[in-house]
Amino acid sequence: GAVVSQHPSRVICKSGTSVKIECRSLDFQATTMFWYRQFPKKSLMLMATSNEGSKATYEQGVEKDKFLINHASLTLSTLTVTSAHPEDSSFYICSAHTSGGESTEAFFGQGTRLTVV
Amino acid sequence: GEDVEQSLFLSVREGDSSVINCTYTDSSSTYLYWYKQEPGAGLQLLTYIFSNMDMKQDQRLTVLLNKKDKHLSLRIADTQTGDSAIYFCAEMASGTYKYIFGTGTRLKVLA
Repeated sequence: GAVVSQHPSRVICKSGTSVKIECRSLDFQATTMFWYRQFPKKSLMLMATSNEGSKATYEQGVEKDKFLINHASLTLSTLTVTSAHPEDSSFYICSAHTSGGESTEAFFGQGTRLTVV
Repeated sequence: GEDVEQSLFLSVREGDSSVINCTYTDSSSTYLYWYKQEPGAGLQLLTYIFSNMDMKQDQRLTVLLNKKDKHLSLRIADTQTGDSAIYFCAEMASGTYKYIFGTGTRLKVLA
């Protein structure tokens, strides 16, 4: 199946700094990618839809100035957590989609565990 | 609203069958999915079912869909210790690639 690579898998940063997480589709082009956040022992919550060449669409309650999304190419979307605080510590997962064949399927990255100290 | 609910925990003995249930509210969902998440890892797609199907079987996995009751289930036959993980159901609404995930069911398989 298609491969989505997310980097880094783990990152620890100090409060007030910014962290960039990359999501790459390795063997297909993705005009749309999604960013999710997972709190401990909770489900995944959609944060935003990343659209290649245009602005991201954020879900209600997600601060767009804090979580900057850039989708500069058909294979790369980045999520930057700006001025990180301990409450931003979470597991962030991206997904990208292919279409055609029997179903429309999402492929997920491995996730990034962010710890803000 | 778009709420997808699952029971939080399930414990079974090795070799038994596991049944994980999910209820959803968006009747326009085109596809419904089951994902597996092992500790500290991303999501692994297990199987999916199209909304016009009632059942789908894939080796040890059987998915049942009751559209009238908006109920989805995943049955794992001959459950093994390696099946211990969190299982998420997810729906994708028609015309969008957005996924709404269930709350997740933590399956524990006892040897």
